[in-house]
Amino acid sequence: KNEVEQSPQNLTAQEGEFITINCSYSVGISALHWLQQHPGGGIVSLFMLSSGKKKHGRLIATINIQEKHSSLHITASHPRDSAVYICAVRPFYGGATNKLIFGTGTLLAVQP
Amino acid sequence: KAGVTQTPRYLIKTRGQQVTLSCSPISGHRSVSWYQQTPGQGLQFLFEYFSETQRNKGNFPGRFSGRQFSNSRSEMNVSTLELGDSALYLCASSLRADSNEKLFFGSGTQLSVL
Repeated sequence: KNEVEQSPQNLTAQEGEFITINCSYSVGISALHWLQQHPGGGIVSLFMLSSGKKKHGRLIATINIQEKHSSLHITASHPRDSAVYICAVRPFYGGATNKLIFGTGTLLAVQP
Repeated sequence: KAGVTQTPRYLIKTRGQQVTLSCSPISGHRSVSWYQQTPGQGLQFLFEYFSETQRNKGNFPGRFSGRQFSNSRSEMNVSTLELGDSALYLCASSLRADSNEKLFFGSGTQLSVL
């Protein structure tokens, strides 16, 4: 079983729909990242969370440390949101590190 | 402020050769980490450097090595290339790799081993 599980693996939505991508992990963590990867490879860090909730524009990320679960929400989805969304956790090694464990990603396609 | 720069963007090599990839972090960032992305294994951590010292290493064979220079630029080297080394290699930088820092990724180097 992977230490970081994402669901769903694939998601197709109509423009304007509310989208939720889930991430569950089995290790103790100091932080969780939500990343976005467009075709061509480049990765953009959307959020870095250690507790609570963060919002940026139409994107909202939440984390429940006790339940070891995080969600990424996209409100009023748009075709330009089409990308792979990857959850990555920073295990609690007790020091500063970018040694991340990645989920397998969620491929999102938003149709006009 | 310039982003993370990786060179080259694409690389084609044959089995048995060696390859060196370069990563220039955002100015002022002292932490550089490397990741491998393949269709089968997804993203995996390779290693990370901070102030010219390797701080962590992932579960990869010794053919994979790296270093960081005094200006924080980093290189990774893969010797005796195998077909399975074909992947997108990504580097990322941050100020110190503290738990409250975002990571900034380069566009990656797409390595094909024939």
